[in-house]
Amino acid sequence: RKEVEQDPGPFNVPEGATVAFNCTYSNSASQSFFWYRQDCRKEPKLLMSVYSSGNEDGRFTAQLNRASQYISLLIRDSKLSDSATYLCVVNMPGGSARQLTFGSGTQLTVLP
Amino acid sequence: NAGVTQTPKFQVLKTGQSMTLQCAQDMNHNSMYWYRQDPGMGLRLIYYSASEGTTDKGEVPNGYNVSRLNKREFSLRLESAAPSQTSVYFCASSEEPQGQYFGPGTRLTVT
Repeated sequence: RKEVEQDPGPFNVPEGATVAFNCTYSNSASQSFFWYRQDCRKEPKLLMSVYSSGNEDGRFTAQLNRASQYISLLIRDSKLSDSATYLCVVNMPGGSARQLTFGSGTQLTVLP
Repeated sequence: NAGVTQTPKFQVLKTGQSMTLQCAQDMNHNSMYWYRQDPGMGLRLIYYSASEGTTDKGEVPNGYNVSRLNKREFSLRLESAAPSQTSVYFCASSEEPQGQYFGPGTRLTVT
C-alpha cells in the first residue's frame, strides 16, 4: 500500500461546480496534513493545512478523518483558475517530523 | 521578499559530468529540503537540513551530496551525473509546524 494515495483523476468539471478530492494515508501516527496545488511545469504551492476540526479558506474546505485515515479537499464554485494538480501531503513519523510524504496528485480541469 | 530561489532553471549534462544546484531562502527558515519530481512518482525527498550545520538523508540520497552553507543556502551536488538523475529538482524551506515553501525548480537532463 502506498503511504499516501490519491485518485489521479483527471476530474473535469464545469465552472461553478463543487468538486471533492480524497486522500488516504497509511501511518496512523501522522500528525501534519496539507493540501498543495501544482500548476503545469511550476512548483508546488501550499494551499492549506488540514486541522483535526476541519478548516475552511474561502471556497476551499479541508477535513481530516483520523479513524479512517483520510483527508479531503472540497472546492466550491469552481473557477477556471482552479485548474491544477492537487497534492495531498502527510508527515510520516519514524523519521524526522519534518519529512513529508507527497501523494502523486489529483488533476483537476475546470471547463468554461 | 523573494521566498525560495534556485539556480539554474535548466541544465543539460553529459553522463559523468558534475554540477551543483543552488538554493537560497530569505524567510529565515531553519529547515531546508531537496526533492526530485518524476512523472507518476510524486515528489521524493533527497536530503534535508533541519538547521544550519546539519544534514540528513531522505528517501533517495544515492548519487547526491548536499551542503548547508549557512542558514539561507542549501546546495545539492551531483558528482557523476547519470541518465537516471534526469528530473525536476525542487528546493524547499519551512519553519515547523508550517508547511514547506518551494522554489521554482531546476529541470535537469542527463544524456
